[in-house]
Amino acid sequence: QLQLQESGPGLVKPSETLSLTCTVSGGSIRSSSYYWGWIRQPPGKGLEWIGTIYYSGSTYYNPSLKSRVTISVDTSKTQFSLRLSSVTAADTAEYYCASLLYCGGDCWFFDYWGQGTLVTVSS
Amino acid sequence: QSALTQPASVSGSPGQSITISCTGTSSDVGSYNLVSWYQHHPGKAPKVMIYEGSKRPSGVSNRFSGSKSGNTASLTISGLQAEDEADYYCCSYAGSSTVVFGGGTRLTVL
Repeated sequence: QLQLQESGPGLVKPSETLSLTCTVSGGSIRSSSYYWGWIRQPPGKGLEWIGTIYYSGSTYYNPSLKSRVTISVDTSKTQFSLRLSSVTAADTAEYYCASLLYCGGDCWFFDYWGQGTLVTVSS
Repeated sequence: QSALTQPASVSGSPGQSITISCTGTSSDVGSYNLVSWYQHHPGKAPKVMIYEGSKRPSGVSNRFSGSKSGNTASLTISGLQAEDEADYYCCSYAGSSTVVFGGGTRLTVL
């Protein structure tokens, strides 16, 4: 069973870059059956998909965040990372990493999630 | 890419059934049979309850069921239990390897 764990600073200053890492265990980050994603939840609001990466490095981003987001993968460390630039208070949220199961078009859902990490944007 | 539309809240008494709707467009819900539903208890990681519109992962109670008609997907919970009280989110494939979530529905068990 996959396990995912987010890590990174809990406080980021406005205009700086938010950086988080997700460590994957219990399975291979090189699996052809998985994409790896980031989702966030601002306080009192709903879930928002940020973006997804395949182990090959192919990335897919939410159009509303695309200009500020970079997701990368390090297969040697079984980790994938999120960078969100030029943050504002609106980027304060619980950030989750998750595995997206892909079955060649027959399934597409997040089956395992990290516990989440709260990132606050404040000076 | 706009968020899928869900009612903000629904409620029901123990033993009753409730249905949560999730309305998208012909670019997401209407075009793909790839809607998933997540249960989210505060402070915990979201948990998938339904995938591919109507399939249940192993271990999920058969009290949870899903369906779709046109651009609207639905989650039905029968035999409501206190432990079902949570936030529920739908999520749909939206083409080009992207996904979109619904705004979420707070379920209250009276």
